[in-house]
Amino acid sequence: GIQVEQSPPDLILQEGANSTLRCNFSDSVNNLQWFHQNPWGQLINLFYIPSGTKQNGRLSATTVATERYSLLYISSSQTTDSGVYFCAVDPGRSNYQLIWGAGTKLIIKP
Amino acid sequence: DVKVTQSSRYLVKRTGEKVFLECVQDMDHENMFWYRQDPGLGLRLIYFSYDVKMKEKGDIPEGYSVSREKKERFSLILESASTNQTSMYLCASSLKYPNIQYFGAGTRLSVL
Repeated sequence: GIQVEQSPPDLILQEGANSTLRCNFSDSVNNLQWFHQNPWGQLINLFYIPSGTKQNGRLSATTVATERYSLLYISSSQTTDSGVYFCAVDPGRSNYQLIWGAGTKLIIKP
Repeated sequence: DVKVTQSSRYLVKRTGEKVFLECVQDMDHENMFWYRQDPGLGLRLIYFSYDVKMKEKGDIPEGYSVSREKKERFSLILESASTNQTSMYLCASSLKYPNIQYFGAGTRLSVL
């Protein structure tokens, strides 16, 4: 089956820094989603991005489907950006199941 | 805004009890999902449903069952809770297409 690998596994930054999180996947997919899980466990969908680039405030994401990777950029980090960032891919099976990466744990220090 | 509501944030149960976790979504989504999340193991799909009364097993269905009698509600049932079912349980919903998943706040279940 499809493998999804995220890097780095952990990242510690000072407030105000920029960061880039990477998601590699081993086969072609229908779409890719980025999620943020806050320290209390709530998962929020950040981007639905099968290809191309999208921006939402300080966050942007780029997926290069032909090269099987996606990048999540966080600029001017704030402490509220802390948490775990997951990417998940939809391999296009009929059952709508997503394949999840292991996540990148981000800690933003004040 | 999409709202997915899980009935409890924290739950403590005894071994052998029957446990019901309820999830309700208000966006008329066809798909609903139950995951469990454990440290170091990521999100694992237990069951999902793509329509009323329809269900399919995910990666780890053993020890669980589900019920979807109405479109907006998806219940996860632990027939006889065991300590190894102590975990964070997350419910999600989505349209058939695009399959953008929206999550509830999660239920932290402890089985003693």
